[in-house]
Amino acid sequence: DVVMTQTPVSLSLAIGQPASISCKSSQSLLGTSGKTFLNWILQRPGQSPKRLIYQVSKLYSEVPDRFSGSGSETEFTLKISRVEAEDLGVYYCWQGTHFPDTFGAGTKLELK
Amino acid sequence: EVKLLESGGGLVQPGGSMRLSCAASGFTFTDFYMNWIRQPAGKAPEWLGFIRNKANGYTTEYNPSVKGRFTISRDNTQNMLYLQMNTLRAEDTATYYCARGSYWGQGVMVTVSS
Repeated sequence: DVVMTQTPVSLSLAIGQPASISCKSSQSLLGTSGKTFLNWILQRPGQSPKRLIYQVSKLYSEVPDRFSGSGSETEFTLKISRVEAEDLGVYYCWQGTHFPDTFGAGTKLELK
Repeated sequence: EVKLLESGGGLVQPGGSMRLSCAASGFTFTDFYMNWIRQPAGKAPEWLGFIRNKANGYTTEYNPSVKGRFTISRDNTQNMLYLQMNTLRAEDTATYYCARGSYWGQGVMVTVSS
């Protein structure tokens, strides 16, 4: 299975600060279709995961544009330009290129 | 609005069986692949498997970690998704989610313990 390695394990930031989370995969996530199926999801405390980004950098319509995704092959980054209170929770990267889908261990964003 | 509502969780003894259900609404159920994903407390999610849509014959795929013990099925007349879990082990203890692509349900807890 593809191993997804996220860093850091946790982040403690003040409102308004930028955030950056790294996700590295053990194999290239570029599929034979030419697409890279790397997603980001956010799990707020006590809630189910919510979608943020798909195919590396595409934001779902309801996601604020302070979120952005980048990367290719095996290295990917989620950035938040200015953290807001509603952004706290655990962020997971999730690959769907290789069977079976696998998830990173998560990065916990806490407010300072 | 896509809605997914799981039910059927609870406490089960090791070696036992349990069937989870997921009621889907807000979309044309037969058009979509449907997934089951689980998440042990404080850990990352684990994809369990999916059942394909009508166009792809409703066939299934499973994570090798549960293949042979878990079975996914669907009732397209009722817009229901099911997960039959057999020979349950303590390590199957988790919150179980049904998911349609990027949409996840609220989850249902399953505890395997004597």
